[in-house]
Amino acid sequence: QVQLVESGGGVVQPGGSLRLSCAASGFTFSSYGMHWVRQAPGKGLEWVAFIRYDGSNKYYADSVKGRFTISRDNSKNTLYLQMNSLRAEDTAVYYCAKDSGVAAPPNAFDIWGQGTMVTVSS
Amino acid sequence: QSVLTQPPSVSGAPGQRVTISCTGSSSNIGAGYDVHWYQQLPGTAPKLLIYGNSNRPSGVPDRFSGSKSGTSASLAITGLQAEDEADYYCQSYDSSSFVVFGGGTKLTVL
Repeated sequence: QVQLVESGGGVVQPGGSLRLSCAASGFTFSSYGMHWVRQAPGKGLEWVAFIRYDGSNKYYADSVKGRFTISRDNSKNTLYLQMNSLRAEDTAVYYCAKDSGVAAPPNAFDIWGQGTMVTVSS
Repeated sequence: QSVLTQPPSVSGAPGQRVTISCTGSSSNIGAGYDVHWYQQLPGTAPKLLIYGNSNRPSGVPDRFSGSKSGTSASLAITGLQAEDEADYYCQSYDSSSFVVFGGGTKLTVL
């Protein structure tokens, strides 16, 4: 079935780095744009980044621009988020989500992963 | 402060109808961009509830409906049920921020 599974979360010190992965299955990964969305404890959803189906264009929230990098490997059906210079305010559950792709992105996010927790603390 | 404004909470008794508003501006909803709605049950990932302002994905009950007018959108839930108790988020494209979410609305079924 259609599925997204995140991994790579954990506890990291301020200023540290972490790379999240999102393994896709059940759909043609290389045909869809993908997003990362995060949710701080007890807070709402915050969009983080988007990458087009072929990796040709990337967009970032101002809060992570210059520190986070979204990428993908279509041969491995995997999405990544490289997070550098991490701050306490980056503590959140990170979800990957599939863009529904019915029109020029961004569209609705029709498939979500279960999320992976990132805690930035000394 | 979210770009899209939602009421923090709404409530209703079983069987009643509730609506959740989502107010934007001329750089997002008011510019004609689609609004999408998500339901997040406690402890779970968000789930797409309404896409393209008023369309329901397969499997979403017709008790859920969406509409859009001007710089605002609304989610309506009729025949409220206990399992509808969740957080609801609106989302749209914004010409400055690319993707924006509302702050979320907690629905309590009394």
